[in-house]
Amino acid sequence: AQSVSQHNHHVILSEAASLELGCNYSYGGTVNLFWYVQYPGQHLQLLLKYFSGDPLVKGIKGFEAEFIKSKFSFNLRKPSVQWSDTAEYFCAVKAGRNQGGKLIFGQGTELSVKP
Amino acid sequence: EPEVTQTPSHQVTQMGQEVILRCVPISNHLYFYWYRQILGQKVEFLVSFYNNEISEKSEIFDDQFSVERPDGSNFTLKIRSTKLEDSAMYFCASSRLAGRNGELFFGEGSRLTVL
Repeated sequence: AQSVSQHNHHVILSEAASLELGCNYSYGGTVNLFWYVQYPGQHLQLLLKYFSGDPLVKGIKGFEAEFIKSKFSFNLRKPSVQWSDTAEYFCAVKAGRNQGGKLIFGQGTELSVKP
Repeated sequence: EPEVTQTPSHQVTQMGQEVILRCVPISNHLYFYWYRQILGQKVEFLVSFYNNEISEKSEIFDDQFSVERPDGSNFTLKIRSTKLEDSAMYFCASSRLAGRNGELFFGEGSRLTVL
């Protein structure tokens, strides 16, 4: 069965620190990859997505992610975090031939940025 | 910007009671989903719905659960006889397309607490 794992449950950083959140998935075929963010009290929002092409994907708010197929990874990065980046971050995968919309989520990483 | 809306934002119910969670998907979207997140756990897929029928459901989505699109705008999740373990945040999502290009847009969630 497909699965997604996020390496860190809770990350605490100071403003201006660099961020990297790990995400690994288990599926040997074609995948679409997503990072969603959930700010406190708000809905899940798409940060970025990878479907094909350039494995380095840029998203909103200065986030980027790199798809490394050989490592089954899709890590999220931001060179300099801000207090407003405090949120929960979810990696998600759509996999398989029947990509009918079912997303498989990781367990989420809570990011706390200290001002 | 169009968005998915969910009501109620929080519902407290007694074990064994029926609960209906409501969602208004984005108006030109055709695919609808329910996910849930038990506190501290992953966001889990429950069911997808297209063309007035369930297209896929998870093993969590047993006979106690049902979904309906009673009119042109609402998409509901009903739990017939709630159990303690149904306490979770329930997210509705919709997409215009399925498959690779089907970006899901999520609502803010309905928190269900079963006592």
